[in-house]
Amino acid sequence: DVVMTQTPLSLSVAPGQPASISCKSSQSLVHGDGRTYLYWYLQKPGQSPQLLIYEVSSRFSGVPDRFSGSGSGTDFTLKISRVEAEDVGVYYCMQGTHLKTFGQGTKVEI
Amino acid sequence: EVQLVESGGGWVQPGGSLRLSCAASGSIFRNDWMTWVRQAPGKGLEWVANINGDGSEKNYMDSVKGRFTISRDNAKNSLFLEMNSLRAEDTAVYYCARDQYFGKLDAWGQGTLVTVSS
Repeated sequence: DVVMTQTPLSLSVAPGQPASISCKSSQSLVHGDGRTYLYWYLQKPGQSPQLLIYEVSSRFSGVPDRFSGSGSGTDFTLKISRVEAEDVGVYYCMQGTHLKTFGQGTKVEI
Repeated sequence: EVQLVESGGGWVQPGGSLRLSCAASGSIFRNDWMTWVRQAPGKGLEWVANINGDGSEKNYMDSVKGRFTISRDNAKNSLFLEMNSLRAEDTAVYYCARDQYFGKLDAWGQGTLVTVSS
């Protein structure tokens, strides 16, 4: 089974400052079709999760451009260029290449 | 826009059974992969199972294989999760989600709470 490891597990950021979350997989996430199925989800307090980033670096509809994803193979990063109050919550990476596995989550606070 | 509404959660004793439902509306359902994801109290997200558009392909996480069954009724735009031999560790909020492809979960329901306790 693929294990997804996120760091850090919690992050306190001042408004307007950048934030970065790392996600590492135990196996390469490059699928046989050449694509990499790595996603980022945000679960705001009291809400269902929502999709932020798909296939490593593509922002989902309506996601602000302060969110960006990067990486390849087994190492991936989510960056928030300038954190806003509405960005608080728990961020999860998830791989879809080998069935599905979520990371443990990273709690972001202001 | 897809809307998903789960129901069927509740309290059940260990060893018992429960059937969750997810009603979909607002967009094409019969061609979509659908997924169940759960979240134990205070814990992270855990992928449980998924099913393809016509119900011919199903996948499960190891700890629920043989106990949970995912199914769907496209005529009624509904997804189901039949849960048997429930254990305390199955206690969680269960979310249904549409899986556009390979884990792109672009629409989520509000979740339904399952509590397994004596």
